[in-house]
Amino acid sequence: AQRVTQPEKLLSVFKGAPVELKCNYSYSGSPELFWYVQYSRQRLQLLLRHISRESIKGFTADLNKGETSFHLKKPFAQEEDSAMYYCALSTASGSRLTFGEGTQLTVNP
Amino acid sequence: DSGVTQTPKHLITATGQRVTLRCSPRSGDLSVYWYQQSLDQGLQFLIQYYNGEERAKGNILERFSAQQFPDLHSELNLSSLELGDSALYFCASSFSGSGDEQFFGPGTRLTVL
Repeated sequence: AQRVTQPEKLLSVFKGAPVELKCNYSYSGSPELFWYVQYSRQRLQLLLRHISRESIKGFTADLNKGETSFHLKKPFAQEEDSAMYYCALSTASGSRLTFGEGTQLTVNP
Repeated sequence: DSGVTQTPKHLITATGQRVTLRCSPRSGDLSVYWYQQSLDQGLQFLIQYYNGEERAKGNILERFSAQQFPDLHSELNLSSLELGDSALYFCASSFSGSGDEQFFGPGTRLTVL
């Protein structure tokens, strides 16, 4: 069975500081990894997925199969980045998402 | 609104009752997913439908059932409700149901008293 772990429930940084949200997974096959974001009072939306290798809103994430990690990074955090971030995994054989517990990011002015 | 819609937004009911949550997928999407978000269990996959057929099942209790209708909207039925069923229930949709992006609805907040 697959599992996603986000070790930090809360993360607080100052505007302009680098931010890293950690995500570790366990799955014996080849996973697809995603980051979803939920801004206050809004619905969950896809931020990025590892296969697209895009940078969205300045965020990047690299899949490290050796460390089974998919950490989300941004070099200079902005106040509008404050939100709940979920790391999620799907398997090659299906598209159901297994979510981590989420990290609430607060960017202080 | 061409996005995923869910009704009702809020639902308050008593233990032992039965409720139905409704989801309309994005225009053109054939697959619907249901997720439950609770304080103690986080976001958990319940069930997926594709073009009217059940495709995948997750941690869905036997007291819960779902279906997808010919017009592609979906309903999640929760019966013999318990206090622990109080949660936010999300619906998501995608076009192919096979690894493509899932678009989420705003959720239905269920409170069981």
